Amino acid sequence: DAGVIQSPRHEVTEMGQEVTLRCKPISGHDYLFWYRQTMMRGLELLIYFNNNVPIDDSGMPEDRFSAKMPNASFSTLKIQPSEPRDSAVYFCASSLDSYNEQFFGPGTRLTVL
Amino acid sequence: ELKVEQNPLFLSMQEGKNYTIYCNYSTTSDRLYWYRQDPGKSLESLFVLLSNGAVKQEGRLMASLDTKARLSTLHITAAVHDLSATYFCAVDMGPFSGGGADGLTFGKGTHLIIQP
Repeated sequence: DAGVIQSPRHEVTEMGQEVTLRCKPISGHDYLFWYRQTMMRGLELLIYFNNNVPIDDSGMPEDRFSAKMPNASFSTLKIQPSEPRDSAVYFCASSLDSYNEQFFGPGTRLTVL
Repeated sequence: ELKVEQNPLFLSMQEGKNYTIYCNYSTTSDRLYWYRQDPGKSLESLFVLLSNGAVKQEGRLMASLDTKARLSTLHITAAVHDLSATYFCAVDMGPFSGGGADGLTFGKGTHLIIQP
């Protein structure tokens, strides 16, 4: 398996623009997670899905953030409008079930100018 | 609210030495994970600890879990330069939060530098 795939790997945009991050989990994994990593706040859970259904989005910082999982092999995290404080590395992770480790994708480094 | 604390946050050590990283967490859980992150890279899973007294070893690294003390340790034996990285522990409240899997709560990470 190719592992968790994320795109783009790097994104530079201007404040106010819409940003869409994409993730393809490992085939057969039932759980998908979105995390954000910054120097100030470390690694934070944003939202996670089980069998394509959002379970907990309490970590989504604001209404500007939204996430979808239309099918088992694809998820998006959208920021609209983006702000400079959204600059971070966004990781997608997936796991087989509730007891296995989460496998992380390579991350998307987002810079909002 | 689950809190996960690691110490030390920074550690510089010489090759050949032994050291231990500690991970304390604030609420009941029986699922603890250790990850490694190299600069500019993603997180790599090292260990999965799912019960009290669990001990896992891989090469020069050994991890253990004491759920009663809410403490996990990552022990490094005879350190080598290639182990230089940032190490994270992460806790999943799992069934104790009322659900199946839950998102991970991470410690701040231990930045480990091993000097020749």
